[in-house]
Order: sequence, then structure tokens, then C-alpha cells
Amino acid sequence: NAGVTQTPKFRVLKTGQSMTLLCAQDMNHEYMYWYRQDPGMGLRLIHYSVGEGTTAKGEVPDGYNVSRLKKQNFLLGLESAAPSQTSVYFCASSEEFATNEKLFFGSGTQLSVL
Amino acid sequence: GQQLNQSPQSMFIQEGEDVSMNCTSSSIFNTWLWYKQDPGEGPVLLIALYKAGELTSNGRLTAQFGITRKDSFLNISASIPSDVGIYFCAGQPETSGSRLTFGEGTQLTVNP
Repeated sequence: NAGVTQTPKFRVLKTGQSMTLLCAQDMNHEYMYWYRQDPGMGLRLIHYSVGEGTTAKGEVPDGYNVSRLKKQNFLLGLESAAPSQTSVYFCASSEEFATNEKLFFGSGTQLSVL
Repeated sequence: GQQLNQSPQSMFIQEGEDVSMNCTSSSIFNTWLWYKQDPGEGPVLLIALYKAGELTSNGRLTAQFGITRKDSFLNISASIPSDVGIYFCAGQPETSGSRLTFGEGTQLTVNP
């Protein structure tokens, strides 16, 4: 039981390049999330999904797209990377929503955009 | 979005000391969660609180849901080196449909 797995762990991009971050969970959770973590700013929600085939915008969605084609996978895409997107990205999943939102996190992807 | 103020931002303590940190908000929250993040890893849930005034322990960790529902506290007793990491509070705002909001984190360093 691996929990939440993110790939890759590290990536360096040049401005304007595109990439996709992959998140996979084996807990059969309905809900999945993408966060970014920046120094002194905690975790900010980018996009989330309440089930297969659904996506919704979070607090900081601009410059990112997501897809949830399969229940266990949640992909985060950057179409044209910018230096402001240099951050650590975390995927998370949860069994419940709303008031019982206990999140299980992956180990993160360190992304640098030059 | 909702704002959570977490303090202190960092703490440097000696092994064996007790630690206290807190989160406050101007808004009412229905749920408070405390997470710990080890270096190079994602946050891991420590304690979840669901009722005002609730006091919950997890080993040497104790957290409380403030009576006003606008704050929460985490205490660590008799700290050990493996307590090092970043501690995050997270709250579920009362506003319907609101997502979890995270504090900025408290970086804890424990000197042996």
C-alpha cells in the first residue's frame, strides 16, 4: 500500500516549457487535490477533484490545468512554465469531503523554472 | 480566502523542553487539523479536532479546539530530536463550500 505517489520528485524547466506532474493513489479515495508550497506561505490549493472526470479551481489556479480521467490518478499540467511557478507541489487525496477533510499527502515535487 | 495566522514562525529548543504553538483566525472554523512535515516529505496528519473546546492527545502531542472556534493550539511535551520539522495547522471554515485553509507553518528545531 503505497498511499499517494508523485512523479517526478525533481524537475528543472526553462521558461515557456510545458510539463505534467502525475499523482497516483491506491486508497480508492474519491477526492484529490494539488497544492503548492512556498516559503512562509503554507500550502495553497491549486485545483481539486471530487471524483473521476471532475475538476474544480482552488485558490491559485492560473497557469495550471488538471485532469482526472481515472479515479486513482490526478494530473497537473503547466502549459507554459513561468519562474513564478517555481515551488514544491504536493498532491493529496481524501476519503471524505467538507468537514472531515483529512488529507493524505504525497512526498512532493520540487520544480524550478529558470 | 480565509486567513490563518500561525505562530511562532520558528522555534529553537533544547531536547526535553515543552513546545507550544497556535493558530488564530478572524473567521469561525468547523474543523482544526494539525500536520507535521518532515524534510523532503509531505505533511502527515497528527491530530484532528471537530468540536469547540475539544482536547485531543496523540502520544506527547496535545491539541485543543478553541472555545471561540477561531483558534487552535498544539503542545508537544518533552521534545526529542525527531520532533524536528514544520508543523502546520489547517482549518475548515464554517462557510459552506470552503476548502481547507493552511497556516504558514512553524519550523521546529530541537537541539540534542
